[in-house]
Amino acid sequence: AQKVTQAQTEISVVEKEDVTLDCVYETRDTTYYLFWYKQPPSGELVFLIRRNSFDEQNEISGRYSWNFQKSTSSFNFTITASQVVDSAVYFCALSGGSSNTGKLIFGQGTTLQVKP
Amino acid sequence: NAGVTQTPKFRVLKTGQSMTLLCAQDMNHEYMYWYRQDPGMGLRLIHYSVGEGTTAKGEVPDGYNVSRLKKQNFLLGLESAAPSQTSVYFCASSYGFRAFLGKGAHEAFFGQGTRLTVV
Repeated sequence: AQKVTQAQTEISVVEKEDVTLDCVYETRDTTYYLFWYKQPPSGELVFLIRRNSFDEQNEISGRYSWNFQKSTSSFNFTITASQVVDSAVYFCALSGGSSNTGKLIFGQGTTLQVKP
Repeated sequence: NAGVTQTPKFRVLKTGQSMTLLCAQDMNHEYMYWYRQDPGMGLRLIHYSVGEGTTAKGEVPDGYNVSRLKKQNFLLGLESAAPSQTSVYFCASSYGFRAFLGKGAHEAFFGQGTRLTVV
């Protein structure tokens, strides 16, 4: 069975602090994809990143960075120098399987509050 | 491009009433999905479709039906609404399996959500 766990329910930081959102996943598939989505207070879901299981390179995009480690089944997300606009719910998600239907298994989400 | 559009955005139903949520995408995506979002539980898959005329059950399909008569549309029906179906519903679409080697493989695009309250 596939499972995604985001153990941090809520995180509160002060602006300019760095913050890491944890994501641990379980899957028996050898080929799978991991995602992060952002849900701002307006409610829509915004795609942030996709990572393939065979590509363990870390990725940096501006203030965002992602650390993918297959050895620990983790795909953590770090925001450097956080800003108030980063306040949102962040979801980690997993997709995989031989049929590749693209079904997403979501974690419970982490609510990030960035205070000015 | 509009992307993924959901209709309606808000709805209040009485227990036992029926309704249909419409999802339309203009990206020529093969795959479409319906998820529900409940507090503390993330998003859970209700039903999905891998092509026109095909549908399949997801994690929480009970009480819902779907249809994909046209490639661009995916309808979610509630035949007899129950308070337990109070939730925020999201439709999503993505490229199909043949595109998985490409840049956009399996990146799902989501609609704005429909907030449904059953009283």
